[in-house]
Amino acid sequence: DAKTTQPPSMDCAEGRAANLPCNHSTISGNEYVYWYRQIHSQGPQYIIHGLKNNETNEMASLIITEDRKSSTLILPHATLRDTAVYYCIVRVEGYKLSFGAGTTVTVRA
Amino acid sequence: DSGVTQTPKHLITATGQRVTLRCSPRSGDLSVYWYQQSLDQGLQFLIQYYNGEERAKGNILERFSAQQFPDLHSELNLSSLELGDSALYFCASSALLDSYGYTFGSGTRLTVV
Repeated sequence: DAKTTQPPSMDCAEGRAANLPCNHSTISGNEYVYWYRQIHSQGPQYIIHGLKNNETNEMASLIITEDRKSSTLILPHATLRDTAVYYCIVRVEGYKLSFGAGTTVTVRA
Repeated sequence: DSGVTQTPKHLITATGQRVTLRCSPRSGDLSVYWYQQSLDQGLQFLIQYYNGEERAKGNILERFSAQQFPDLHSELNLSSLELGDSALYFCASSALLDSYGYTFGSGTRLTVV
C-alpha cells in the first residue's frame, strides 16, 4: 500500500468547514483513497472513498487532485461530534487497510 | 450498531492466562479482519480470514491464533498473556471485493494484570 502523509493535528471552529489534507505521492493506478475516522476509543468508521473523481456523501466531500498525488477531505459544517482522529488510507480494493497516525481533529465551540 | 458484533466488551485477566475474543461479521460479509490498538501504537493489522480460509497475516504474535468457522464468525485466541498485550482488539468485516472498505465492531478492551 502507498504511504500517506497527514498533519498530526488541526483545530476547527464549530459550524465552519474542516479541510483535512493528505499526501499520497506514490499512489498507484489501482489504489483507492479511503478516509476513516475514530472517535475516542470506538471502532473506526468509514467516511468516504474515491479513485479519480471527486466524491460527496452525507458525511463529507473528497477532493482528489488530477495527478492523484494528494487529496482533501472536507467536513462542510463541523460539529463537536466530529472531534476524532481522521485516517487517510490508500489501498487496493480487497486488500487490508493499513492505518497510519492520522490527523487529530479538534472542533471547538 | 455497525452490524459487526464483538464479545466480550471488556476482559480483565492475569498474566499467563488464555482468552478468546469473538466476532460475528455483518450479514453477507465473508471476510473478517482483526486489529490490535494499544496506547503507544496505532491500529495494527493482525490477520484476515475469507470464508474460513486465512488470507493475509500481519503483525500477529505466535502466541495469538485465529480461526473463522463455517457460520463465518471468528475467534481470536490469545495465550500466555503478557502485560503488553493489554489493548483494544477490533474486528472488522467486508465483502472480498469490497468497494467500501470495512465495517468495524466496537472492540474488546483487554486488560492483563
